[in-house]
Amino acid sequence: EPEVTQTPSHQVTQMGQEVILRCVPISNHLYFYWYRQILGQKVEFLVSFYNNEISEKSEIFDDQFSVERPDGSNFTLKIRSTKLEDSAMYFCATHRGRNTEAFFGQGTRLTVV
Amino acid sequence: DAKTTQPNSMESNEEEPVHLPCNHSTISGTDYIHWYRQLPSQGPEYVIHGLTSNVNNRMASLAIAEDRKSSTLILHRATLRDAAVYYCILRGTGNQFYFGTGTSLTVIP
Repeated sequence: EPEVTQTPSHQVTQMGQEVILRCVPISNHLYFYWYRQILGQKVEFLVSFYNNEISEKSEIFDDQFSVERPDGSNFTLKIRSTKLEDSAMYFCATHRGRNTEAFFGQGTRLTVV
Repeated sequence: DAKTTQPNSMESNEEEPVHLPCNHSTISGTDYIHWYRQLPSQGPEYVIHGLTSNVNNRMASLAIAEDRKSSTLILHRATLRDAAVYYCILRGTGNQFYFGTGTSLTVIP
């Protein structure tokens, strides 16, 4: 069964450092998302990406965050200057067409110290 | 996005059917009803979705009320592996979807 792959599975970084979280979407999928989940809390929408541009972003997705598809396969989330409160699980999700089922990766656990 | 209301938690005995309710009284005509679940320490997983008619797949069934203001996810025989948080989500034309707090399902052996 096709799957969304995220790397790394766990990243520890110092406050103020930049991190890049990577996602390999399913090959024929066109819609891409990043979500995060702080420990014990609900899954929060960050950003959606379609046709090589951001289609929607939440209030959480401020200037410290950016996304791109640098090589047409990977989908990355960059946090420029991490804060302690950025510690969370980050999930990538993708789907093929409008209102089709979405597939989620297993997540990257980001720990900011 | 239109909101959904789910019970915080439910319990079921193993091998018995489970009916997980969801209210979405402000649903619009173009909103699809999606269900996802999240097992402990894993990413969300698609379960089923529908628009107006009831739907069945290998995992579950989705019963949608005639007025579409509520729906029920049916697991026909709960197993221990079905213990998870189940999310009922409305997806409109924007395609992005927002998670609520979901229903935490406990399966009792």
